[in-house]
Amino acid sequence: AQSVTQPDIHITVSEGASLELRCNYSYGATPYLFWYVQSPGQGLQLLLKYFSGDTLVQGIKGFEAEFKRSQSSFNLRKPSVHWSDAAEYFCAVGTKASGNKLTFGGGTRVLVKP
Amino acid sequence: DAEITQSPRHKITETGRQVTLACHQTWNHNNMFWYRQDLGHGLRLIHYSYGVQDTNKGEVSDGYSVSRSNTEDLPLTLESAASSQTSVYFCASSVRGDTEAFFGQGTRLTVV
Repeated sequence: AQSVTQPDIHITVSEGASLELRCNYSYGATPYLFWYVQSPGQGLQLLLKYFSGDTLVQGIKGFEAEFKRSQSSFNLRKPSVHWSDAAEYFCAVGTKASGNKLTFGGGTRVLVKP
Repeated sequence: DAEITQSPRHKITETGRQVTLACHQTWNHNNMFWYRQDLGHGLRLIHYSYGVQDTNKGEVSDGYSVSRSNTEDLPLTLESAASSQTSVYFCASSVRGDTEAFFGQGTRLTVV
């Protein structure tokens, strides 16, 4: 069965510093990969997605992620964090064959220090 | 604008009662999903549907049911609510398997 691991439950970062959130997956098929962000009390907003092609993916709000097949990873990065980036971030995996049923990681909560 | 809406946003119910959470999307998406979100578990799939009259069980389907009588709606029913079903529930939809899913705002359900 597929699984998604986000090793960091909480990350605290200073405003203006860089951010990297880790995501590792276990999946037999070629996966579709997603990062979603959830602000407090809100639904999930898609940051970026990888289906195929260029393994470096650009998303909204200045985020990017890199798919590394050899490491089964899809880490999310942002060069300079803003206070508004404080939220919970979820990595998710799906496949076209599964009709995009998603398997989610446990989430990483990001706190931003002034 | 097209959207996906969930109602109610908050619900408190008693153990043993039947509860139905509504999900309505106006994108005409074929695929619809219900997830529950619990601390430390991320989101887990409860039920999903690929079209009218199609429903399938997900990872944590025990105690839940869905029905799909039209494209727009996928109501989630808790047959006999239990305290273990206290959670935040999210509905999502997608056009097809190779597109992203869009999520509703969630329903916070408390079973007392």
